[in-house]
Amino acid sequence: GAGVSQSPSNKVTEKGKDVELRCDPISGHTALYWYRQSLGQGLEFLIYFQGNSAPDKSGLPSDRFSAERTGGSVSTLTIQRTQQEDSAVYLCASSLAAQSYEQYFGPGTRLTVT
Amino acid sequence: GEDVEQSLFLSVREGDSSVINCTYTDSSSTYLYWYKQEPGAGLQLLTYIFSNMDMKQDQRLTVLLNKKDKHLSLRIADTQTGDSAIYFCAEFHAGKSTFGDGTTLTVKP
Repeated sequence: GAGVSQSPSNKVTEKGKDVELRCDPISGHTALYWYRQSLGQGLEFLIYFQGNSAPDKSGLPSDRFSAERTGGSVSTLTIQRTQQEDSAVYLCASSLAAQSYEQYFGPGTRLTVT
Repeated sequence: GEDVEQSLFLSVREGDSSVINCTYTDSSSTYLYWYKQEPGAGLQLLTYIFSNMDMKQDQRLTVLLNKKDKHLSLRIADTQTGDSAIYFCAEFHAGKSTFGDGTTLTVKP
């Protein structure tokens, strides 16, 4: 069956440009998470969506980062005016419900800001 | 805030047991779990343990939880070269997960 998909798989952008990263969760999963994995580091929580509730944005590192989830399915993470420190792998995960511990991860988008 | 710590590297010989250790700070964690990340691949849930348990065994994997010390360990018996990967410890509470930085396990033939 289809898992979590993310696009693009790789993105190279110039400093100062905006980027959009897309996540397609598993159909029927109501919870969706975004994480950032910097080189050699663990996962840094960014934001999560649960159904129609207001998203938990507590992990977003700055106001240059925003995310939305349309129709309770696809999500887009937008980074405005990218900086070199934004270079990382951005991972999306979904789970059946917010209280479900088992998250299914996508393959990630590797973002490189030059 | 919540914090999860684990050692960064572990190297073992094929056939030996591997033990990966993790400590966490959030005493309200409802689940603790281990994810495996193979080179170039996404994270996959390896095993989990409820916070009211102290041990869970699943084939070659044994998870031990010491709630008093907030210490979690993953033991892999008869480690194989295919077990080489990064192992992430994580705790889950109120809809959010906090991950450690990952332990890179290298299995030498």
